[in-house]
Amino acid sequence: AQSVSQHNHHVILSEAASLELGCNYSYGGTVNLFWYVQYPGQHLQLLLKYFSGDPLVKGIKGFEAEFIKSKFSFNLRKPSVQWSDTAEYFCAVNSYSGNTPLVFGKGTRLSVIA
Amino acid sequence: NAGVTQTPKFQVLKTGQSMTLQCAQDMNHNSMYWYRQDPGMGLRLIYYSASEGTTDKGEVPNGYNVSRLNKREFSLRLESAAPSQTSVYFCASSELGGGNQPQHFGDGTRLSIL
Repeated sequence: AQSVSQHNHHVILSEAASLELGCNYSYGGTVNLFWYVQYPGQHLQLLLKYFSGDPLVKGIKGFEAEFIKSKFSFNLRKPSVQWSDTAEYFCAVNSYSGNTPLVFGKGTRLSVIA
Repeated sequence: NAGVTQTPKFQVLKTGQSMTLQCAQDMNHNSMYWYRQDPGMGLRLIYYSASEGTTDKGEVPNGYNVSRLNKREFSLRLESAAPSQTSVYFCASSELGGGNQPQHFGDGTRLSIL
C-alpha cells in the first residue's frame, strides 16, 4: 500500500527565509506526486504536480518541488517566503497507472512571521 | 463556475442521529471522493466513486455510506453519528480516477457530534 510521510509537523519561518518541506513516499511502482496548500479556513488547492519529465517542477506562487526517485522524495521549496504563505501543506501520491485515489501525508503547518 | 459545492457548511448532531452530507460538482468529472480531516491526521479517504455507478471503500469507511446519485452528485451518510465522527469533511472530484489528474476540493463541512 502507498504511504506518504511528511516529517515536519510545524515549521516557523521569518519572512524572506527559504523554505523546504520534506515529503517521502512508499510505493514500489511509478507514481504521480502532488503538493496541495490549505490556507486557514479554506479548501485544498493544487500547488504543483509531477508525473513525468523534468523532475524539477514549478508551481504557483513561486513554489517548486524536486522529484528524486532514488530517495522516494518530493520536497517542496520556495526561496523566499511571505506572510501570506502561512498555511498547511500536504504532499500526496497515487499510482501512475490504474484507477487509484490520492494518498495524503499528514500535512505540515507553516507559520511565517513578520 | 462553482466547482465543487458542499452542503451544509456546519452541522451539530447528537449521538445516534443520522445525517447526509451533499456534494455536487459542475466540472463534468468522472470521479468523486469523500475525505475527513482531523488535526495531525491529514486527509483520510472515506469512500470514492471512480465513475458513475461505482463506489469503493477508502481507508476509513466504517460508520459511513455513500451514494453516487448521478455524475454530478455524491452524498455521504452517517446512519448513527458517533463523537468519533466529529471532523471536517471534504468532497473532491477529478476528471479521472487516478493518474495525473488533480483533485478539486469543496469548502468542507464542519461536523460536530455531541
